[in-house]
Amino acid sequence: DADVTQTPRNRITKTGKRIMLECSQTKGHDRMYWYRQDPGLGLRLIYYSFDVKDINKGEISDGYSVSRQAQAKFSLSLESAIPNQTALYFCATGTGTDEQFFGPGTRLTVL
Amino acid sequence: GEDVEQSLFLSVREGDSSVINCTYTDSSSTYLYWYKQEPGAGLQLLTYIFSNMDMKQDQRLTVLLNKKDKHLSLRIADTQTGDSAIYFCAEKFSGGYNKLIFGAGTRLAVHP
Repeated sequence: DADVTQTPRNRITKTGKRIMLECSQTKGHDRMYWYRQDPGLGLRLIYYSFDVKDINKGEISDGYSVSRQAQAKFSLSLESAIPNQTALYFCATGTGTDEQFFGPGTRLTVL
Repeated sequence: GEDVEQSLFLSVREGDSSVINCTYTDSSSTYLYWYKQEPGAGLQLLTYIFSNMDMKQDQRLTVLLNKKDKHLSLRIADTQTGDSAIYFCAEKFSGGYNKLIFGAGTRLAVHP
């Protein structure tokens, strides 16, 4: 079984809809991250969490929110999706050395 | 500012060596990383190097770090078709919350 799982793997939605992307991990790591990947831009950090009671904004948090429901679960929400949020979204977990383990990604298309 | 730069594309012949280069800006970075992304998959950590090291070798992979020039390279010996992927350089930014700064990724294409 994969250590970091993301659901859904693919999603197409319309402008203005609320979307939630979910991430679960079995690695027992305290740190979890959400990134988006756009062609030619690499990965950019949206939000991160170092434990269940800790939520922090990353570089590009506007238009997104997160919830750390448990050590193993970290969800990303788009309250009102817009087309420029079309991207590949990755969840990751981390260790104290900041080695990060990535999920398989969620491809989101906003029409 | 925080920035990591890589060339976007590299093409090599199977059996040759590949060298992927990266420059970074944070001279206080403690760790530098190379990640590999295969089509349709997430990023997988290939190797990392501490900032007090000049070189690290792991089987076919050699990482070279030039701290003076803030230059990191990944050499893949005897490149195989299975090495075709996007390779991301990342630095552990020393300020604030120890975040990783990723480059845009280098797409490595291996041809016969």
